[in-house]
Amino acid sequence: AQSVTQLGSHVSVSEGALVLLRCNYSSSVPPYLFWYVQYPNQGLQLLLKYTTGATLVKGINGFEAEFKKSETSFHLTKPSAHMSDAAEYFCAVTPEYGNKLVFGAGTILRVKS
Amino acid sequence: DGGITQSPKYLFRKEGQNVTLSCEQNLNHDAMYWYRQDPGQGLRLIYYSQIVNDFQKGDIAEGYSVSREKKESFPLTVTSAQKNPTAFYLCASSIAIQGSYEQYFGPGTRLTVT
Repeated sequence: AQSVTQLGSHVSVSEGALVLLRCNYSSSVPPYLFWYVQYPNQGLQLLLKYTTGATLVKGINGFEAEFKKSETSFHLTKPSAHMSDAAEYFCAVTPEYGNKLVFGAGTILRVKS
Repeated sequence: DGGITQSPKYLFRKEGQNVTLSCEQNLNHDAMYWYRQDPGQGLRLIYYSQIVNDFQKGDIAEGYSVSREKKESFPLTVTSAQKNPTAFYLCASSIAIQGSYEQYFGPGTRLTVT
């Protein structure tokens, strides 16, 4: 069975500062990993995903994440936060050929001016 | 424009009433999903369907029912048996891309039961 842990239910950064949102997963088989973003009262939008191949994955809006198998992690980063990045972020995992996503509890990102 | 529509955006019901949430997609996706979202708990899977006329229970199916008579539609009924129905409900659909079932989400329906 898969599970996802997102460290920190709330993260606060200053505008222009580095954004780091942490995600650790457990999986008995090679995982596919996803980061989604949710703005208030809206659905989820895919930021990026890791399936196979390059372990550093680039996504939309300047975000990227690195799959580290030895650490079972898939942390999300952005070099410089923008006010528009304020939202809730979800990490999710599914096994290869799996059709069900398992989500973490989410991290709310606050960006201070 | 291809996408997933959910209606209505906000829904209010009295306790003891059944209510049906609509989900329609024009992405030609085979699989569809219903999630419930509560603050601090992430998304929890209610039901999913991989093909027309077939669906499976997710992690929290009690008090909910679904149907999948058409590929494009996957309505969710919240019954009076659901003890705590007030929540944000999200519908999603997916197609296999390189073996990964990447999911696309609708805008959600916020249900309030009093």
